[in-house]
Amino acid sequence: AQTVTQSQPEMSVQEAETVTLSCTYDTSESDYYLFWYKQPPSRQMILVIRQEAYKQQNATENRFSVNFQKAAKSFSLKISDSQLGDAAMYFCAYSEDSNYQLIWGAGTKLIIKP
Amino acid sequence: DAGVIQSPRHEVTEMGQEVTLRCKPISGHDYLFWYRQTMMRGLELLIYFNNNVPIDDSGMPEDRFSAKMPNASFSTLKIQPSEPRDSAVYFCASSLYRADEQFFGPGTRLTVL
Repeated sequence: AQTVTQSQPEMSVQEAETVTLSCTYDTSESDYYLFWYKQPPSRQMILVIRQEAYKQQNATENRFSVNFQKAAKSFSLKISDSQLGDAAMYFCAYSEDSNYQLIWGAGTKLIIKP
Repeated sequence: DAGVIQSPRHEVTEMGQEVTLRCKPISGHDYLFWYRQTMMRGLELLIYFNNNVPIDDSGMPEDRFSAKMPNASFSTLKIQPSEPRDSAVYFCASSLYRADEQFFGPGTRLTVL
């Protein structure tokens, strides 16, 4: 069964610095999707970034980028120039065409120090 | 588009009462998902619909929970009778394709006293 592991329950970073959140997953599929969602205190679940496994290029969205290592089954999220508004829970998630379910990691709480 | 809309945002009720949560998905999205989030169990998928048809309700915890989608723009999740252990945040999400990104509503925080 597919699993998603986020090994860092909590991370903290100084404002304006860079932080990397880790995510590993387990699957026997070759084609799948990976996502990072952000859940701020308002509890709204917001998509941060999306990666399709068949794409070699790492996805980037402004200050957010991923390091997708398919062979290692690793999908880390890098946040550059951290801002106070980045403080939130970050969830890594996995899905594949043969299964509708999003498989979620346990989440990493990101704290931004001013 | 306004995104996924959920109502109410907060619901406080007493044990034994019926609770109805409502969701309007993004127009054109064929898939609708209901989730429950608690500190203990994280995000749990309760049920999902494709083109208004329930496809898999294996995540629905008990017969007290039921969900309907009478048309493409509206879905309800009903709990009858409600119990304190049902207290959680309930999210509705929709997506264009089954395995693609899901767009979440703001959630309904349910408290059952």
